[in-house]
Amino acid sequence: DIQMTQSPASLSASLEEIVTITCQASQDIGNYLSWYQQKPGKSPQLLIHSATSLADGVPSRFSGSRSGTQYSLKINRLQVEDTGIYYCLQHYSAPWTFGGGTKLELK
Amino acid sequence: EVQLVESGGGLVQPGRSMKLSCAASGFTFSNYGMAWVRQAPTKGLEWVATISYDGSSTYYRDSVKGRFTISRDNAKSTLYLQMNSLRSEDTATYYCTSASFAYWGQGTLVTVSS
Repeated sequence: DIQMTQSPASLSASLEEIVTITCQASQDIGNYLSWYQQKPGKSPQLLIHSATSLADGVPSRFSGSRSGTQYSLKINRLQVEDTGIYYCLQHYSAPWTFGGGTKLELK
Repeated sequence: EVQLVESGGGLVQPGRSMKLSCAASGFTFSNYGMAWVRQAPTKGLEWVATISYDGSSTYYRDSVKGRFTISRDNAKSTLYLQMNSLRSEDTATYYCTSASFAYWGQGTLVTVSS
């Protein structure tokens, strides 16, 4: 099974700050990597697909990048509504696996 | 607008069965693979099962193989998850998603407890 190691597990940042969350895949997954934001009591919302492509309707302050088997989600100029839990997902091969999540709070 | 609406969750005793449904609308359901993802209370997301657009191929995580069955009725635009021999560790909110994991339902809570 492909393991997705996500870091950090939690993060506290200030308004307008730049935030970066990473996921390390245990093997090559190409660009089969998505990022999600989940608010309390809500279903996950797609932010980034294909490692670097912004999903429809997602603010441009969100971006995704890839370096080998390491994937990053960057939030430029953090806003209040960006708080929540973020997950990565590899859908390269079954079993599809999520990262452990990053809880993002405002400082 | 894509809509996925799950139903069928609730409280069930260990060892019993439950069937979840997901009604899809806003897209041509029969053209797309579908999946179930679950989330135990206060825990992360966990993929459960995937089915191809025509139902000919199915995939399961090891912990549910032989107990859960994913199926679909393309004429009704509905996805199903039949869950047998339920265990306490199956307690979770179950989400219906597109196989690309781009679209998600609101989830239905399944609680396995005596």
